[in-house]
Amino acid sequence: EVQLLESGGGLVQPGGSLRLSCTVSGFTLSSYAMAWVRQAPGKGLEWVSTISGSGVTWYPDSVKGRFTISRDSSKNTVYLQMNRVRADDTAVYYCARDRGYPNDELDFWGRGTLVTVSS
Amino acid sequence: DIQVTQSPSSLSASVGDRITITCQASQDITKSLHWYQKKPGKAPKLLIYDASNLETGVPSRFSGSGSGTDFIFTISSLQPEDIATYYCLKSHHLPVFGPGTKVDF
Repeated sequence: EVQLLESGGGLVQPGGSLRLSCTVSGFTLSSYAMAWVRQAPGKGLEWVSTISGSGVTWYPDSVKGRFTISRDSSKNTVYLQMNRVRADDTAVYYCARDRGYPNDELDFWGRGTLVTVSS
Repeated sequence: DIQVTQSPSSLSASVGDRITITCQASQDITKSLHWYQKKPGKAPKLLIYDASNLETGVPSRFSGSGSGTDFIFTISSLQPEDIATYYCLKSHHLPVFGPGTKVDF
């Protein structure tokens, strides 16, 4: 059974840093691209980043230069390092498996972890 | 950058109604368009991939069509458990979600 479990969310001050983790099971992490998607309170879904099986990464302009996605296949874990966070980064962050070529449909999702940016 | 618009932003319907949601891309994205269901407090659920393919385990009342720039998502007979917000996702190059359509009674 495919499972994804996010962790690492919490309260962080503006300008601070936080690292999210996504631990997966039920599939071989190195065989898939993985993505992070977020949903701010009362807002829609927003793609945050993708990492391919070979480590190539993609970001939207809203987080480029501040967020870094990485993976450790030996630990079955994908990470999202969030630096210089802002109030508008407040959201539930979901980890998802990219089933096709990187940046294709996302078929399995975790339950999400809440990040709150506030002083 | 390719933009994605989605309409309507919300709709009210009754049990058994046929509903349709449209997504439009600003450039040709062939069939790189997928549909998700999102309920509060739950993870998004993939319903349709590559414009018209029904994801395994998803009821057949859900369907999708289209290619290029114009796409349609249909629920043939709305059920109470279908109350949710629906999003399209363009995956051609960088992913972009549509703004969503809230469906309620």
